[in-house]
Amino acid sequence: DAKTTQPPSMDCAEGRAANLPCNHSTISGNEYVYWYRQIHSQGPQYIIHGLKNNETNEMASLIITEDRKSSTLILPHATLRDTAVYYCIVRVDPLGDSNYQLIWGAGTKLIIKP
Amino acid sequence: DGGITQSPKYLFRKEGQNVTLSCEQNLNHDAMYWYRQDPGQGLRLIYYSQIVNDFQKGDIAEGYSVSREKKESFPLTVTSAQKNPTAFYLCASSAGTSGYNEQFFGPGTRLTVL
Repeated sequence: DAKTTQPPSMDCAEGRAANLPCNHSTISGNEYVYWYRQIHSQGPQYIIHGLKNNETNEMASLIITEDRKSSTLILPHATLRDTAVYYCIVRVDPLGDSNYQLIWGAGTKLIIKP
Repeated sequence: DGGITQSPKYLFRKEGQNVTLSCEQNLNHDAMYWYRQDPGQGLRLIYYSQIVNDFQKGDIAEGYSVSREKKESFPLTVTSAQKNPTAFYLCASSAGTSGYNEQFFGPGTRLTVL
């Protein structure tokens, strides 16, 4: 079962910041949060990941709350090419042997409007 | 260019036939994965392999089989025992299953069973 909850869809104006929320209230202390996106009918693309601290890379920023029960992915200046389904994922270690798996939810369909 | 290839992009089969989906990577990655995606859903793990000649079942392995005879290749067979095989199948690879290894995805194969 998915460990994350995301809104099914969101709109954002081109050039504005897109803020995508994610709830992961049952996350364990050593489980990372990952974000991927999937443009229609293509393979998903990695965006960013984090554990406790906020993270930033060339694509996005990830803000994780202090209690780690939720996070927000920020695309600072959204373009039309950012239209995609964005997945907030928890990385788990089901067998406790450090062989990790990604647990995917249904994602948020982000539509960037001109 | 390094990457993951899946072939074919679209595949049609009659009910009751086994079908094998190809996945090849030239990233020199140790780990490879197969996921299934149904419309409007996230990805679900079918099988994964951490190393040549070894593979593990994921959450929905029933009706599927895999092999890992070469590092570069991880074919998936959808058998007639899979009750609802029509889906989008995604192959991925990563440097390993431990640590923070990003998964790289292929373009996917859309299988339709008639």
